[in-house]
Amino acid sequence: GDSVTQMEGPVTLSEEAFLTINCTYTATGYPSLFWYVQYPGEGLQLLLKATKADDKGSNKGFEATYRKETTSFHLEKGSVQVSDSAVYFCALSDFNGNQFYFGTGTSLTVIP
Amino acid sequence: DVKVTQSSRYLVKRTGEKVFLECVQDMDHENMFWYRQDPGLGLRLIYFSYDVKMKEKGDIPEGYSVSREKKERFSLILESASTNQTSMYLCASSLREPQHFGDGTRLSIL
Repeated sequence: GDSVTQMEGPVTLSEEAFLTINCTYTATGYPSLFWYVQYPGEGLQLLLKATKADDKGSNKGFEATYRKETTSFHLEKGSVQVSDSAVYFCALSDFNGNQFYFGTGTSLTVIP
Repeated sequence: DVKVTQSSRYLVKRTGEKVFLECVQDMDHENMFWYRQDPGLGLRLIYFSYDVKMKEKGDIPEGYSVSREKKERFSLILESASTNQTSMYLCASSLREPQHFGDGTRLSIL
């Protein structure tokens, strides 16, 4: 069945460092891919999405490109801030958009 | 913006109690979901619903039931709460994609 695998954390970076969080997926058909962010004590918020191969989703300086050939959707940011400290979830939805599959989450801590 | 509201941010109940967690969305979404989130396990789907009075079991439905009497409201019920149901519970809704989440209810069973 469909599934998402993302790199385990926790990840600790200094402010202004480059961030990569790896995400790979297994899916039949043509899924949509998402990154969600969860700040402490809150629910998940949609960070960015991509709906077809080679699409690039971007938001708040974060980017991820839908790579069908490598079945990947890695999250990147060129210069992280302390306020980016959160848990990041990679997710996919099936072609109907009714079933969602989440990775286990990667905790990011950015230190000044 | 889509608003998904969970009735409580924090809840403390006792073992054996019947517990109700309420979720309301304001965007006329057909699909609603209940997850629990535990450290190291990510999000696990408990139940979901594609329409009023319709429900489907997710990956971990044991010990839970749900009710969807109106389109905007999806309730999660712990029939007889146990300590292993202490967790963060997240409700989500969607019209196709993406899912929109509430702020979560942190439930402690003593």
